[in-house]
Amino acid sequence: QAVLTQPSSLSASPGASASLTCTLRSGINVGTYRIYWYQQKPGSPPQYLLRYKSDSDKQQGSGVPSRFSGSKDASANAGILLISGLQSDDEADYYCMIWHSSAWVFGGGTKLTVL
Amino acid sequence: EVQLVESGGGLVKPGGSLRLSCAASGFTFSNAWMSWVRQAPGKGLEWVGRIKSKTDGGTTDYAAPVKGRFTISRDDSKNTLYLQMNSLKTEDTAVYYCTTDLQHFPEYWGQGTLVTVSS
Repeated sequence: QAVLTQPSSLSASPGASASLTCTLRSGINVGTYRIYWYQQKPGSPPQYLLRYKSDSDKQQGSGVPSRFSGSKDASANAGILLISGLQSDDEADYYCMIWHSSAWVFGGGTKLTVL
Repeated sequence: EVQLVESGGGLVKPGGSLRLSCAASGFTFSNAWMSWVRQAPGKGLEWVGRIKSKTDGGTTDYAAPVKGRFTISRDDSKNTLYLQMNSLKTEDTAVYYCTTDLQHFPEYWGQGTLVTVSS
């Protein structure tokens, strides 16, 4: 089982909100990790969006709009990237990442379609 | 402005070697931890490894698939990061990104360089 699992795709409408999940493998407690989120558009490198551990330990990437925010769902053992007021420009691949067992581990990515 | 420019990618045969470079500017390179991350065609991101700053020991960490085959080094006098890749396999085919870990995580990314391992 992968350390981090993300749904492969998600669709949402312009102006709506999208909630992208990053589920940690059973036995790995989401509460102890900083979860990092990246956005990647076709042909471009990933861009750092934000990191979230708790409301008192979070960081927004430089220039990243407040429409992007992080949270956790402890009951689902998952990190969440919430994008509100969706725009066509938000269409991209989104990756989560944690530091686990002395390595940076990425989720498989979610392709977000805005239509 | 942080700038990272990778070079050295290309076509190499299985079992061969290649050295990638990453020229850095816009920040104090000697103080920065640096990483390499790769992305196979049409696939997700995979961390390759990192090197700490010399003031933090200059030590390296590697992902399991490349440990013992890849070596990360740095030349602070040239503001350059390197990735020496030996015993290359077809599954090493990917775009290789250099990242600067100013806050000890991959924060800024270069544009990447493509490495193709094929006979």
